[in-house]
Amino acid sequence: LAKTTQPISMDSYEGQEVNITCSHNNIATNDYITWYQQFPSQGPRFIIQGYKTKVTNEVASLFIPADRKSSTLSLPRVSLSDTAVYYCLVGDAFYSSASKIIFGSGTRLSIRP
Amino acid sequence: EAGVTQFPSHSVIEKGQTVTLRCDPISGHDNLYWYRRVMGKEIKFLLHFVKESKQDESGMPNNRFLAERTGGTYSTLKVQPAELEDSGVYFCASSRPGANTEAFFGQGTRLTVV
Repeated sequence: LAKTTQPISMDSYEGQEVNITCSHNNIATNDYITWYQQFPSQGPRFIIQGYKTKVTNEVASLFIPADRKSSTLSLPRVSLSDTAVYYCLVGDAFYSSASKIIFGSGTRLSIRP
Repeated sequence: EAGVTQFPSHSVIEKGQTVTLRCDPISGHDNLYWYRRVMGKEIKFLLHFVKESKQDESGMPNNRFLAERTGGTYSTLKVQPAELEDSGVYFCASSRPGANTEAFFGQGTRLTVV
């Protein structure tokens, strides 16, 4: 799986839009980009995945430029409950098959009132 | 639909003792995975079951760890004897039959070896 680089931590305030960028310079042609979210004292959970351009769901948006060497997870109008660790993954399976998921260190997002 | 459940949520044992962690996957999920995060490290894969068979156990750290999934339902992970460096959070995940299906994680078991 391609190595990813993302900020160790980020802080923001309630109601703000938060953008977390992930670098994956060595992404392969068949790789998808997947983001997981992990709340304190819980296991990780899948939140969004994309291959190129933009993907949006009820939780977040994922922006992927044409060269696919980076991606940005966008959380609109965050609340305190969005405080979590966010992991960026790249892999060759649509759902980044759970076998041998490499989570990396993730980005610890802290939301303040 | 119930999610992946793990028991216990927290276990404190002395070095040299034995501990057994249990994971109940989502009903109908043939794939079951164990991961763990030891202190200060990243979440790492341990092994993968397909039904009752071990598909991949390349992440198991040593022979003190034994995973079973008799009958292809729940799974246990036994650590015997436990060492200090085994302290961490052990996660279980499950997914539907087949490859490339979304994995759902349990809340984890926090193991503390003293």
